[in-house]
Amino acid sequence: NAGVMQNPRHLVRRRGQEARLRCSPMKGHSHVYWYRQLPEEGLKFMVYLQKENIIDESGMPKERFSAEFPKEGPSILRIQQVVRGDSAAYFCASSPGGGHTDTQYFGPGTRLTVL
Amino acid sequence: GNSVTQMEGPVTLSEEAFLTINCTYTATGYPSLFWYVQYPGEGLQLLLKATKADDKGSNKGFEATYRKETTSFHLEKGSVQVSDSAVYFCALPSYNNNDMRFGAGTRLTVKP
Repeated sequence: NAGVMQNPRHLVRRRGQEARLRCSPMKGHSHVYWYRQLPEEGLKFMVYLQKENIIDESGMPKERFSAEFPKEGPSILRIQQVVRGDSAAYFCASSPGGGHTDTQYFGPGTRLTVL
Repeated sequence: GNSVTQMEGPVTLSEEAFLTINCTYTATGYPSLFWYVQYPGEGLQLLLKATKADDKGSNKGFEATYRKETTSFHLEKGSVQVSDSAVYFCALPSYNNNDMRFGAGTRLTVKP
């Protein structure tokens, strides 16, 4: 059973460009979460999605950031007009359900560098 | 809201030493508690978890017991190896289960 897959693993963008990060959850998982990790820090929640629905986006900046999890295909985290402060590792996690006993399984992350 | 406070690092130990990384939590109710490990350049891997009070999670020689009285979930290992060098994160679900709340992480370095 393949784990959570993320691509690309590394992404370099210049200021003002767009970044698209993809996440394919584990087979059978319908809940997807995105987190951001700044260097030497813990993970900070950004957004929680189920198929075709955003459940909680309270951790996502109001501007330039958006996320989707379409009926078919991977979840996408999109950052428009990137700035240097967006440089971070972005991790996706998935779980089979959303209860407090459900483990979130993490992908390897996408490391975004903004020049 | 739910949160964890984790022992600050870094921690440096010699091989075969005893490891304790402290973690205390604040929570509404009794959520599951987790330890994740992150190796250099990789994502987080679940190390162990406990779903209710007095439960002990264990994996790869690591253990942690869910203690309601002290609101703690300390990570222990009796004899660490060089390969255990990584960053360890204590975590629990948010009160609405919409996300995981992580501690700041404790970097462990084990020297031969």
